[in-house]
Amino acid sequence: AQRVTQPEKLLSVFKGAPVELKCNYSYSGSPELFWYVQYSRQRLQLLLRHISRESIKGFTADLNKGETSFHLKKPFAQEEDSAMYYCALSTSMDTGRRALTFGSGTRLQVQP
Amino acid sequence: SQTIHQWPATLVQPVGSPLSLECTVEGTSNPNLYWYRQAAGRGLQLLFYSVGIGQISSEVPQNLSASRPQDRQFILSSKKLLLSDSGFYLCAWSSGETQYFGPGTRLLVL
Repeated sequence: AQRVTQPEKLLSVFKGAPVELKCNYSYSGSPELFWYVQYSRQRLQLLLRHISRESIKGFTADLNKGETSFHLKKPFAQEEDSAMYYCALSTSMDTGRRALTFGSGTRLQVQP
Repeated sequence: SQTIHQWPATLVQPVGSPLSLECTVEGTSNPNLYWYRQAAGRGLQLLFYSVGIGQISSEVPQNLSASRPQDRQFILSSKKLLLSDSGFYLCAWSSGETQYFGPGTRLLVL
């Protein structure tokens, strides 16, 4: 069965410090991975997906199939990056459609 | 553009009472619809998903049920709430890989 693990519940860094939010997955198929973010008092929203290989708000994430990881990184954290971050794995359902399996989330606190 | 609505935003219900949470989507047709529960410290758990009217799949056994009476309406229900049903319930829709989430309903069962 598929599984997404985010080992850190809370990550606290100072402004300007590098950030790495860890995500590991297990899935027998070809993985498609996402990072979702939920800022305070806002909806859960897509941050980035691995297939687009894009950088959003300075964040990047590289899929490492050997280590089954999809860690989220940013070289210099900003206070506005403080939020709850969820790693998610897209998997096929019985109907052929796809659904997301989420990790338990990591709260990032960026201190001034 | 597409929007997704959920109501109510907050609900306090006694144990044993019924539940009905509603989710509607605008600006798209035949979306996949999902209900998730976000429990404290446990992340998001997929409860139900639907690929069409009247088509519901349940991911975990529980005290809840879901229905899709119309293409863009998804309802989460319970006949008798349990204390353990407390949590934050999120509805989402997708037409491809990306899921778009509603504002959520916070349910407190006392």
